[in-house]
Amino acid sequence: AQTVTQSQPEMSVQEAETVTLSCTYDTSESNYYLFWYKQPPSRQMILVIRQEAYKQQNATENRFSVNFQKAAKSFSLKISDSQLGDTAMYFCAFMKHGPSGTYKYIFGTGTRLKVLA
Amino acid sequence: DAGVTQSPTHLIKTRGQQVTLRCSPKSGHDTVSWYQQALGQGPQFIFQYYEEEERQRGNFPDRFSGHQFPNYSSELNVNALLLGDSALYLCASSLAGTGGDTQYFGPGTRLTVL
Repeated sequence: AQTVTQSQPEMSVQEAETVTLSCTYDTSESNYYLFWYKQPPSRQMILVIRQEAYKQQNATENRFSVNFQKAAKSFSLKISDSQLGDTAMYFCAFMKHGPSGTYKYIFGTGTRLKVLA
Repeated sequence: DAGVTQSPTHLIKTRGQQVTLRCSPKSGHDTVSWYQQALGQGPQFIFQYYEEEERQRGNFPDRFSGHQFPNYSSELNVNALLLGDSALYLCASSLAGTGGDTQYFGPGTRLTVL
């Protein structure tokens, strides 16, 4: 069974600084997808970034980028130029397709990020 | 473009009661998944509906059941509520066959069981 581990329960960063959130996962699959979701205090889960395992190039979305190390099963999120609005719970998620085109996400326990003014 | 909506926002029930939560997927999406998120935890997959059928199920008892309607909206039903069912219930939608099947989440329903 796949597992997702986020070893940093809480982190803080100064506004405008850079922070990296860690995520490791365990799977025997070769084709899968990885995601980072953000859940602000308002609780709506928002997609931050996604990575296809077959792509070697790391995904980037504006100030957000990932460091995907497939052999090490590591998928960290880097937030550059941190903003107060980045304060949220961040979840790493693993997804693979199941039978008949189904799929499910497996989430880590989350990292609570606080951006300090 | 309407996003995923859920109702109600909050719900308080007592042990043994039954509850129904509702979800409307993002416009154009046809697949709905339900998750349970306990306080301080990541979401746990309950089940997924596509073409009005339950396609995949997580490790949840039969007290948890669902339904998907022809307009792709979905309901989550929980019978014989237990205190441990208190959680945020999230609905997520996606479009099947789009590769990666990125899910978009609703704001959730906070269920409290007393």
